Amino acid sequence: QSALTQPASVSGSPGQSITISCTGTSSDIGRYNFVSWYQQHPGKAPKALIYEVSNRPSGVSIRFSGSKSGNTASLTISGLQAEDEADYYCSSYTGSNTLDVFGTGTRVTVL
Amino acid sequence: EIQLVESGGGLVQPGGSLRLSCAASGFSFSTYGMNWVRQAPGKGLEWVSYIGKSGRTIHYADSVQGRFTISRDNAKNSLYLQMDSLRAEDSALYYCARRTAFFDYWGQGILVTVSS
Repeated sequence: QSALTQPASVSGSPGQSITISCTGTSSDIGRYNFVSWYQQHPGKAPKALIYEVSNRPSGVSIRFSGSKSGNTASLTISGLQAEDEADYYCSSYTGSNTLDVFGTGTRVTVL
Repeated sequence: EIQLVESGGGLVQPGGSLRLSCAASGFSFSTYGMNWVRQAPGKGLEWVSYIGKSGRTIHYADSVQGRFTISRDNAKNSLYLQMDSLRAEDSALYYCARRTAFFDYWGQGILVTVSS
């Protein structure tokens, strides 16, 4: 099971919106709606932002939204803020013995 | 407050063994599946293993299948990862994470370094 493909880096100015893509296959993202997104600041544990493609856990800002089309999932950050500068990872359930697969990760830079 | 606290990491020689533990508190441990996820220095996240709430359902990543063994003790609210035949590429920060429809709670991680 290969890692999901994400762009290595995405940047934007404060207040802008950015979108991070996460491309998998018909065996993971394309088959299941168990796509989640995580934010990781340096030296910290990951924090869940989105689950089941587009749901936000309690306490997560509405500036974070998720979607899916075919084998590609996307995370959009609206109203970009300095505190959003971090690494972002997608994840998908695979239904195989390798139960879950993470994306390659995207570094978000706020200009 | 939900807490997951990993322990047992350290420096080990290639071919050696190590046992990681994760102490859970603040929730009903026996009713959740649990995972180990690792992150090599400067690299991305890699899912390692899953164990169901009763311990009967277990999954491993291909990279650790046959070398790592996940287990749990619901009476002690603890998750374990027995790591044998360790390789340099197993060096990473190991996180324990609770699983619902996603990894909703994570520990702070414990560092494992495999080197001679």
